[in-house]
Amino acid sequence: DVKVTQSSRYLVKRTGEKVFLECVQDMDHENMFWYRQDPGLGLRLIYFSYDVKMKEKGDIPEGYSVSREKKERFSLILESASTNQTSMYLCASSFSGARMRGYTFGSGTRLTVV
Amino acid sequence: SQQGEEDPQALSIQEGENATMNCSYKTSINNLQWYRQNSGRGLVHLILIRSNEREKHSGRLRVTLDTSKKSSSLLITASRAADTASYFCAPEFQGAQKLVFGQGTRLTINP
Repeated sequence: DVKVTQSSRYLVKRTGEKVFLECVQDMDHENMFWYRQDPGLGLRLIYFSYDVKMKEKGDIPEGYSVSREKKERFSLILESASTNQTSMYLCASSFSGARMRGYTFGSGTRLTVV
Repeated sequence: SQQGEEDPQALSIQEGENATMNCSYKTSINNLQWYRQNSGRGLVHLILIRSNEREKHSGRLRVTLDTSKKSSSLLITASRAADTASYFCAPEFQGAQKLVFGQGTRLTINP
């Protein structure tokens, strides 16, 4: 069964910590995405990547960075966690262009910053 | 930013009834996708309809697309309690290899 795996289901971190959220897909997808989801705000795109070592800013990149050293792995980094980054983080992947069949999402990581 | 907007925001119906959710958007699309999210979980892809298609079916799901009106609808027939979830439409706009999600429609099926 093809899937997107997020390393942690729940995570609690302290303000100022550097936080790594890992996402791995086994479908050979070109595209990978990081969203955060907050009540009343829906899903907002943080960063995405079309290919290895490529990254594009989404709608809310401030306070985040990403890394894609291998095709199957896309990491979201919170350089210095803050309480306003408490959220549900969702990773997704997809083929691109004519091979697009929809996004496959991970189960999400619920991050709490205290 | 661009996104699809779902309507209604919340819908509550009796089991066995049909549920219809609508989506509107503002600029040209490559395709439009519908997703379901059960509480606290990731999103699950339901259907993708391309800009040159008008209707698509998958089991009890029927999606229509009217590009002239820039709108789409998702119909769930013979609803079940397990259909209780939030439903999101996500247009892929031309020139953008990404999806922008709205806030979704929260569907509740009452037994």
